[in-house]
Amino acid sequence: AQKITQTQPGMFVQEKEAVTLDCTYDTSDQSYGLFWYKQPSSGEMIFLIYQGSYDEQNATEGRYSLNFQKARKSANLVISASQLGDSAMYFCAMREENTGFQKLVFGTGTRLLVSP
Amino acid sequence: DAGVTQSPTHLIKTRGQQVTLRCSPKSGHDTVSWYQQALGQGPQFIFQYYEEEERQRGNFPDRFSGHQFPNYSSELNVNALLLGDSALYLCASRLGLAGEGGETQYFGPGTRLLVL
Repeated sequence: AQKITQTQPGMFVQEKEAVTLDCTYDTSDQSYGLFWYKQPSSGEMIFLIYQGSYDEQNATEGRYSLNFQKARKSANLVISASQLGDSAMYFCAMREENTGFQKLVFGTGTRLLVSP
Repeated sequence: DAGVTQSPTHLIKTRGQQVTLRCSPKSGHDTVSWYQQALGQGPQFIFQYYEEEERQRGNFPDRFSGHQFPNYSSELNVNALLLGDSALYLCASRLGLAGEGGETQYFGPGTRLLVL
């Protein structure tokens, strides 16, 4: 069974600084995908970044980058130059690939607060 | 281009009642998944619909059922409501069944259900 662990219930960062949100995962699958989503107070899950298990390069999307360490089974999200609008819940998730199924397994999330 | 829409936004029911939640997928999408997000938790996968059939199901009792219509919209039905069913119910849509690469699901804003 797949499992996602996010050990940081809350993180604080000052505006314009970088922050790393931790995510470790457990799976016996060889092919899987890792995702990060942002959930503001409105409730909608906003896709941020994706990393495939066979991707050799770490994924980057603008200010977001994913620090993928396959041997350690970690997929940490790095947000550079934090903005006040980055304050939200952040969820790491995993999907089994190439099966035709869309089930995402989520962690418990990390609440990020960006201060001026 | 409309994103994923859900109705109603909020709902209050009493124990034992039945509820129906609705979801319209993003334009061009044909696959719909439903998730339950209890307070302080990550979303939990309920089931996925494609071509009007349930394709994959999470660990939820038969009280949770669904339907997909020819226009790809979907309903989630919950019978015999329990207090523990209080949660944010999220709908997600994508094109096609195969789960590969960064092509991911788009989530709606959710329906907040309170069971008293």
